Amino acid sequence: SAVISQKPSRDICQRGTSLTIQCQVDSQVTMMFWYRQQPGQSLTLIATANQGSEATYESGFVIDKFPISRPNLTFSTLTVSNMSPEDSSIYLCSVVVLAGETQYFGPGTRLLVL
Amino acid sequence: GDSVTQMEGPVTLSEEAFLTINCTYTATGYPSLFWYVQYPGEGLQLLLKATKADDKGSNKGFEATYRKETTSFHLEKGSVQVSDSAVYFCALSDLGATDSWGKLQFGAGTQVVVTP
Repeated sequence: SAVISQKPSRDICQRGTSLTIQCQVDSQVTMMFWYRQQPGQSLTLIATANQGSEATYESGFVIDKFPISRPNLTFSTLTVSNMSPEDSSIYLCSVVVLAGETQYFGPGTRLLVL
Repeated sequence: GDSVTQMEGPVTLSEEAFLTINCTYTATGYPSLFWYVQYPGEGLQLLLKATKADDKGSNKGFEATYRKETTSFHLEKGSVQVSDSAVYFCALSDLGATDSWGKLQFGAGTQVVVTP
């Protein structure tokens, strides 16, 4: 398994601003993902964070709105840009540990946009 | 494409009752199947998994069997406790699909409420 931390754990932001969420893992992992969970909904994959290259985005998500970095095997950031109230969600990172297939999730970042 | 369908909630039970949450899937490759649990105010925790047909995953009194013939992975627990109140997500990962390797496809989630 893996121990995953996210910062911040929650935040309240004003519309039009941006927030960067950090995801740190205690061991090297093969894959890192970012998900969004809107209130009362299931999880939707935003993108796969690729080490040293541009993230791979799912349909409906774009780099200008959700820029992602992954400078090494244990760290990634997701930025939610130019926020609107519709961006109020829980944002979760997940990882696949080396040689495994199970995804482990961070505790999530609860974002409220006013 | 791959998809997961699970029964709608909320499911309300009394303590010590039997719990079943139905989950069926469609996949083009050879999926692994998972149940995740989300307790109030928390992130997702892996509850159990099964990687091939007829495998049974189990943890904390919960069980689910990978049934390829019925494309199902129903979650069961014989005697629930108040502490089992949570949202349960069924998910699949299709390692045989080259364009979605490692990605999880989630069901809608089923809220379970256990009353004393």
